[in-house]
Amino acid sequence: AQSVTQLDSQVPVFEEAPVELRCNYSSSVSVYLFWYVQYPNQGLQLLLKYLSGSTLVKGINGFEAEFNKSQTSFHLRKPSVHISDTAEYFCAVSARYSSASKIIFGSGTRLSIRP
Amino acid sequence: DAGVIQSPRHEVTEMGQEVTLRCKPISGHDYLFWYRQTMMRGLELLIYFNNNVPIDDSGMPEDRFSAKMPNASFSTLKIQPSEPRDSAVYFCASSAFGTSGSIVQFFGPGTRLTVL
Repeated sequence: AQSVTQLDSQVPVFEEAPVELRCNYSSSVSVYLFWYVQYPNQGLQLLLKYLSGSTLVKGINGFEAEFNKSQTSFHLRKPSVHISDTAEYFCAVSARYSSASKIIFGSGTRLSIRP
Repeated sequence: DAGVIQSPRHEVTEMGQEVTLRCKPISGHDYLFWYRQTMMRGLELLIYFNNNVPIDDSGMPEDRFSAKMPNASFSTLKIQPSEPRDSAVYFCASSAFGTSGSIVQFFGPGTRLTVL
């Protein structure tokens, strides 16, 4: 079975400052990893995903994440945030080669941007 | 592509009433998921289907909840009778499994349910 831990429930950041949202996972098998973003009163949408290959993954809106297998982490980063990045961010994991296609979501990190 | 469609977007009902939430997945997707999101419990997977067949319903909270998928383009989540603690945002998501890159879940806009 897989599990995901998002270490911070809330992260306040000043506009144009860098941000890192932390995510650690646990799994006995190889995994796929995802970050989803949920803007206020909307559904979740995919920000980026790691399936294979390069461990540095670039997503939409200037976000990127790095897969670190030894530390079982998949932290999300952005060098300079904007007010429009205010949202909740969910890390998620899915087992590779599984026909179940079930994704386990973390508890979410609320990113608030201060002007 | 219209994306995942959910209806209604908002539902307000009284305790004891039956509530039916609807979902139309993305055409060609063979997996469909129902989630519930609350402040207290976060995002919970209720049930998911593969090729219209329920695969895992272990997240369904109790017998008051039921879900069906009569065909590849339609699914319902029904609560009967509804209770105030069912108030939440219910999301439907769909995905396709097969090739690398096609296992991403696409979410609908959600249905905000309020049970008075």
